[in-house]
Amino acid sequence: QKEVEQDPGPLSVPEGAIVSLNCTYSNSAFQYFMWYRQYSRKGPELLMYTYSSGNKEDGRFTAQVDKSSKYISLFIRDSQPSDSATYLCALVGGGATNKLIFGTGTLLAVQP
Amino acid sequence: DSGVTQTPKHLITATGQRVTLRCSPRSGDLSVYWYQQSLDQGLQFLIQYYNGEERAKGNILERFSAQQFPDLHSELNLSSLELGDSALYFCASSVDSGETQYFGPGTRLLVL
Repeated sequence: QKEVEQDPGPLSVPEGAIVSLNCTYSNSAFQYFMWYRQYSRKGPELLMYTYSSGNKEDGRFTAQVDKSSKYISLFIRDSQPSDSATYLCALVGGGATNKLIFGTGTLLAVQP
Repeated sequence: DSGVTQTPKHLITATGQRVTLRCSPRSGDLSVYWYQQSLDQGLQFLIQYYNGEERAKGNILERFSAQQFPDLHSELNLSSLELGDSALYFCASSVDSGETQYFGPGTRLLVL
């Protein structure tokens, strides 16, 4: 079993739709949860970062963490064609190292 | 622009050869991480350096090695290259053991 499972997509939605992207994880030691956006052939760009259960909002983006269910989500409101990209969840465990464990990514296409 | 720079952007080489990828972290960041991204494996952590010292190893092959220099830039050396080493190689940096990692634009390696 992989440490992080992510819905692979691809996901295609019309402009203005609400998008839900999800990951589940198996190791309760994970303490920090991030979402990265990666445009084609570019480096991953940090979107959201949280460490507690609950919701965190930043503009049109909301990150949700449920540690009891080991489930994290990213919601995008009023999606725009410029949101078309691959979205990767990333988790960090405790300890001296902060290596990121990435999900496989979900390819999102927002149709104008 | 994340502030992390990587050179070269593209590299084409032959099997059996050796290449060096270079990364300059964001100003003030002491930790450097190397990741490999391929179509079948997704984004995989290779190795982390903190202030010149190796801190953690991931799925890094013995043919690969890295180091971080006193000015904090890092190099990833890939030797005895195989076709399967063709991938995007990303460098990320963070403030000491900070969880927030910022990625560079990547080096696209093609082994022919």
